Amino acid sequence: GENVEQHPSTLSVQEGDSAVIKCTYSDSASNYFPWYKQELGKRPQLIIDIRSNVGEKKDQRIAVTLNKTAKHFSLHITETQPEDSAVYFCAASNAAGGGNKLTFGTGTQLKVEL
Amino acid sequence: NAGVTQTPKFRVLKTGQSMTLLCAQDMNHEYMYWYRQDPGMGLRLIHYSVGEGTTAKGEVPDGYNVSRLKKQNFLLGLESAAPSQTSVYFCASSYHLSLSTADTQYFGPGTRLTVL
Repeated sequence: GENVEQHPSTLSVQEGDSAVIKCTYSDSASNYFPWYKQELGKRPQLIIDIRSNVGEKKDQRIAVTLNKTAKHFSLHITETQPEDSAVYFCAASNAAGGGNKLTFGTGTQLKVEL
Repeated sequence: NAGVTQTPKFRVLKTGQSMTLLCAQDMNHEYMYWYRQDPGMGLRLIHYSVGEGTTAKGEVPDGYNVSRLKKQNFLLGLESAAPSQTSVYFCASSYHLSLSTADTQYFGPGTRLTVL
């Protein structure tokens, strides 16, 4: 089955700096890669996703890049703000496997310091 | 539009007791999922369903059963709870776009379960 590794597990940045979180996956057939943000005590919420036919996607301060050859994808947050502090999860899915099952990474605790 | 809702929000069980967690969605999604979230381990898929009347095992199905009698509801059962099942349980749902295209999974607010 799919295996997703996520690094780093914790990340501390100064407000206004950029943050980068990296994930690798094992199943070359995976074709959908979402990123979720989870605030303390809340549900995971999708912030951006990318499909395997695209190399990069951007939404305001958030961008995701995908390297299918190396089987890794990354989340980039620019001009970080205190409200960006949360746990971020990457995930991978092979829709052709049936059920669109997501395999999640273990999460990155991002802290944006003033 | 309530989205995905879960009942109950919190529950404390004694070892050996049983309970059912209810997930409901009002988005007419075909697919539904149950995950558990433990510290340092991310979210792990327990069971999922691709449509009314169907269920399938995920990554960590042991000790759990599920049923999907109605399209909008997905039930997770613990027949004999164990301390190892102490966790936060999240339900999610998504559209089925095609056999080769996954869609966004929307999560419920979670159920915090403690087994003593």
